[in-house]
Amino acid sequence: GESVGLHLPTLSVQEGDNSIINCAYSNSASDYFIWYKQESGKGPQFIIDIRSNMDKRQGQRVTVLLNKTVKHLSLQIAATQPGDSAVYFCAENYGGATNKLIFGTGTLLAVQP
Amino acid sequence: NAGVTQTPKFQVLKTGQSMTLQCAQDMNHNSMYWYRQDPGMGLRLIYYSASEGTTDKGEVPNGYNVSRLNKREFSLRLESAAPSQTSVYFCASSKARQASSYEQYFGPGTRLTVT
Repeated sequence: GESVGLHLPTLSVQEGDNSIINCAYSNSASDYFIWYKQESGKGPQFIIDIRSNMDKRQGQRVTVLLNKTVKHLSLQIAATQPGDSAVYFCAENYGGATNKLIFGTGTLLAVQP
Repeated sequence: NAGVTQTPKFQVLKTGQSMTLQCAQDMNHNSMYWYRQDPGMGLRLIYYSASEGTTDKGEVPNGYNVSRLNKREFSLRLESAAPSQTSVYFCASSKARQASSYEQYFGPGTRLTVT
């Protein structure tokens, strides 16, 4: 079946460094991708999204890169802060008109002071 | 705006008991979703409602039923709870796919334990 997976289950970085979280997807027909942040005990929070007609999109301190050739998605966080510590999920939209999402298993980002 | 709200926050059930999880959104979104999240895993779609009056199954619908009561509210019912349904349940909502942006917004979750 279709799936979205992450290469690294845990990522530990030093405060101030840049973080890169990777994600592989398998459905070449997916046309919309989202990154979510989930803090302990809370619901997922939208970070940034990208459509398949784009290669890169930037937000505040975050950048998402999409490589459709190898079906790879990454989230870059600049100047990582302790408040960035959380689980990060990528998700792909496979549902066409119905906006259904498949989520990856998540990467835990641990920021060391 | 409260966004997406869910009740209750916590619930403990015995095997065979029934309950309904409530979800409401105040963003005038057309689409609503129910997910479950098990430890160390991503979210899996149980049911969704693309618009008021319609519901469809997701990846893991067995043991659940849903009701889209109106545009704001989408409830999830467990008719006969089983230990395998111990999980954290999240409700989400979004604009329709035709909108310029249609990311899903999530509620705080309901932590359900079935003994």
